[in-house]
Order: sequence, then C-alpha cells, then structure tokens
Amino acid sequence: KAGVTQTPRYLIKTRGQQVTLSCSPISGHRSVSWYQQTPGQGLQFLFEYFSETQRNKGNFPGRFSGRQFSNSRSEMNVSTLELGDSALYLCASSPDRPTSYEQYFGPGTRLTVT
Amino acid sequence: AQRVTQPEKLLSVFKGAPVELKCNYSYSGSPELFWYVQYSRQRLQLLLRHISRESIKGFTADLNKGETSFHLKKPFAQEEDSAMYYCALSGTGANNLFFGTGTRLTVIP
Repeated sequence: KAGVTQTPRYLIKTRGQQVTLSCSPISGHRSVSWYQQTPGQGLQFLFEYFSETQRNKGNFPGRFSGRQFSNSRSEMNVSTLELGDSALYLCASSPDRPTSYEQYFGPGTRLTVT
Repeated sequence: AQRVTQPEKLLSVFKGAPVELKCNYSYSGSPELFWYVQYSRQRLQLLLRHISRESIKGFTADLNKGETSFHLKKPFAQEEDSAMYYCALSGTGANNLFFGTGTRLTVIP
C-alpha cells in the first residue's frame, strides 16, 4: 500500500495570507490527524477527522481549520498567517480503533511564513 | 491536563551498552502509551505501545502506573538505533497523540 502523502512538501507564504495543506491517507484508513511540529513547542495535536467529521480538537486558535472528504482525503487551512505558524505540519492516518492503535505519518509539509 | 516529559534531549551510549530513554506522564484518566521513532530522513513511525507488551527491535517498555513512567529500554544498543525517540500518550480509544519533546539517541561505534 502507498503511504500517507502530503502536498505540497514545501510552502512559503507571507504574513496575513492563508494556506491550504492536503493529506491523502493510506487506502482504507478513515481517521486522519494533523500535528504541528516546531522547535519550540515540539509535536502538537491539531485535530482529527473521521468519516468527514471532526472528532477531536487540540488547543489551537480558530484560524486553524480542517475538513475531510468522502474519500478520506483531508485538508487543513490556516487563515491570517502569523510568523509563529512556520512549522512542519504532519498528517497521520489510522484504520481506527479498536482495530489499530497505530498512526501512520506522512512526510510533512514545511510551511515558512515571512 | 495531559503532559509527557522526556527529561533528556540528547543521549549518547556506546555500541553494546544498555540504553534507557526516560518518559514520565501525567494524565487524569487511563492513558495509552506509545514510543515513536524517527530515523534520519525517514518518517515518524510507531516503535511500540504498552497495550501490546511487545518487544520491537530489542526494545521494551513497561508502563509503571505508580511512578507514571514508560521508560524505553534495550539491553545492547546498536548503531542503527541512533534516531529521535518520542514518547506519546492518548486517551483510551482516542486518536489524538500528546508527544514529549523527544530524545535524540546516538550510539557510538
């Protein structure tokens, strides 16, 4: 099976702009989670989608949003970008519990905000 | 609130020496604990989880609820063990992981 794919891999945006990142989960996986990784804060959970519904949400402002499509592909959007949003954004998919406790991570999208 | 603490940012050991990567947690409910590993230029991947009580690549980890710890151990380190290791927890049945800050392990030949 193909692994989790994320597009684009690298992105440079200007403060105030918005950005959309995409994640394609492993075929058959219905749960998609997003994480932000920064040197200062480490890996932080953003949100999880399952069957097109947000099931869990981390402690991030409303500028961060996401959605999931019927084919389980997911997008996350960040509006009104701030310098502090520069980070590696990781997507992970899972076939969902109780069948699996493992999350499979993508390579990430490196977002730089200038 | 949940918290995962990995006190060592960097850890160096010689090949063949025992390895212990520390992880302590705080969580109000019944957590599930995991170790994830990231080798150089590879993706983050699951190493092991407490619920399965497996030994993967010679690594083991025991959940100690009294000490709220989930330390990762290996009796004889190998060069290929050099990587970044993250301890993580989630709530029972949940898919949201809370990660520690990670420990970079270097195994010296």
